[in-house]
Amino acid sequence: DIVMTQSPDSLAVSLGERATINCKSSQDLLYSSNNHNYLAWFQQKPGQPPQLLIFWASTRASGVPDRFSGSGSGTDFTLTISSLQAEDVAVYYCQQYITTPRTFGQGTKVEI
Amino acid sequence: QVQLQESGPGLVRPSETLSLTCTVSGGSFGYYSWSWIRQPPGRGLEWIGSILYSGSSDYTPSLESRVTLSVDTSKNQFSLKLNSVTAADTAVYYCAREGNYIDIWGQGTLVIVSS
Repeated sequence: DIVMTQSPDSLAVSLGERATINCKSSQDLLYSSNNHNYLAWFQQKPGQPPQLLIFWASTRASGVPDRFSGSGSGTDFTLTISSLQAEDVAVYYCQQYITTPRTFGQGTKVEI
Repeated sequence: QVQLQESGPGLVRPSETLSLTCTVSGGSFGYYSWSWIRQPPGRGLEWIGSILYSGSSDYTPSLESRVTLSVDTSKNQFSLKLNSVTAADTAVYYCAREGNYIDIWGQGTLVIVSS
């Protein structure tokens, strides 16, 4: 199985400041045939299901504010929230979908 | 828009079988993979498995011996059966749609395993 490791486990960021979450995979998520990284980011607020933020490592899902951005390739990826808003308090998960079983990172809790 | 809704018992006794159904509404059932993911209270996400509209399925190895997924295209439903449950199977169970990536989730249903 591909192991996904996020860092940090939690972070506290002031309103309007930048939040950065890292995700490292134990195997390469870049598929050379289409040059896509098979990596997604999800946001989960308390009592709610996860919501897709980013797919193909850097493509924002429909309706996601542009303060959210994804970057990275291969085995190292980053989710950045450029200016933290109160509604961004949540747990964030990375997930690989290049192979089964699909695997998630352990989650990063973002607080203010 | 497409919506997914889980249904099934919220309480299952140890050693019995957990059975859940996910109903898909508002969109096409075909050409997607339909997944089950669970989340124990206060913990992270675990992918259980997925099934294509054709019936081809894939499971996570740690649960493969206890899990069966099925699909009923006439009802736009897919189902999960997990047998021989223990307290460790207590979790919120989510169904989800996956094209290349998971893009839509159900609201989730809490299943407690207890006598």
